[in-house]
Amino acid sequence: QKEVEQNSGPLSVPEGAIASLNCTYSDRGSQSFFWYRQYSGKSPELIMSIYSNGDKEDGRFTAQLNKASQYVSLLIRDSQPSDSATYLCAVNVYSGAGSYQLTFGKGTKLSVIP
Amino acid sequence: DTAVSQTPKYLVTQMGNDKSIKCEQNLGHDTMYWYKQDSKKFLKIMFSYNNKELIINETVPNRFSPKSPDKAHLNLHINSLELGDSAVYFCASSLGTGGGEETQYFGPGTRLLVL
Repeated sequence: QKEVEQNSGPLSVPEGAIASLNCTYSDRGSQSFFWYRQYSGKSPELIMSIYSNGDKEDGRFTAQLNKASQYVSLLIRDSQPSDSATYLCAVNVYSGAGSYQLTFGKGTKLSVIP
Repeated sequence: DTAVSQTPKYLVTQMGNDKSIKCEQNLGHDTMYWYKQDSKKFLKIMFSYNNKELIINETVPNRFSPKSPDKAHLNLHINSLELGDSAVYFCASSLGTGGGEETQYFGPGTRLLVL
């Protein structure tokens, strides 16, 4: 069974600090990795996707991928109270016949304290 | 102008009833998905259709039957509802079959409560 593991949290950080969210996955063949943000009562929305080893930056967000160690992380710089949400790590897994499916972790709940 | 829409938004029903949830996307995408998010917020794929053809069919009770009349619509019919079916059901869509860094766009969700 392909698995994606995340610490469920809650992770509390003070406003302005760096929030670090981690994720590990079991399928070595996975090629694409995604971070979704989900506010309470809302649908998941994509924040970052990463495909290659290393760092990918987008504004205050940096995704990091290490395929050898099978982990992907998300750093949020200058955390704001509006960043308080559950962050879902998702891994693209080949499911046969040319199709792929996202396998999600259980999410890490982040609270940014003003 | 909602990209992925679902109806109804809320559904409260009795055990044993049959209900349907509808999903529509106006993004011109070829692939649509149904996900179930349980009370512990775990999001799990149920089905996927590409151009009206079923391509992903996870281990789901056969009381759940998806139907795609065209590539912009994907419906989910649930027979003989059980307490454990209570969850949020999300529809999503993607341009192709989900490879590479292809993004899936989620609908607002349907909150199903079975009493």
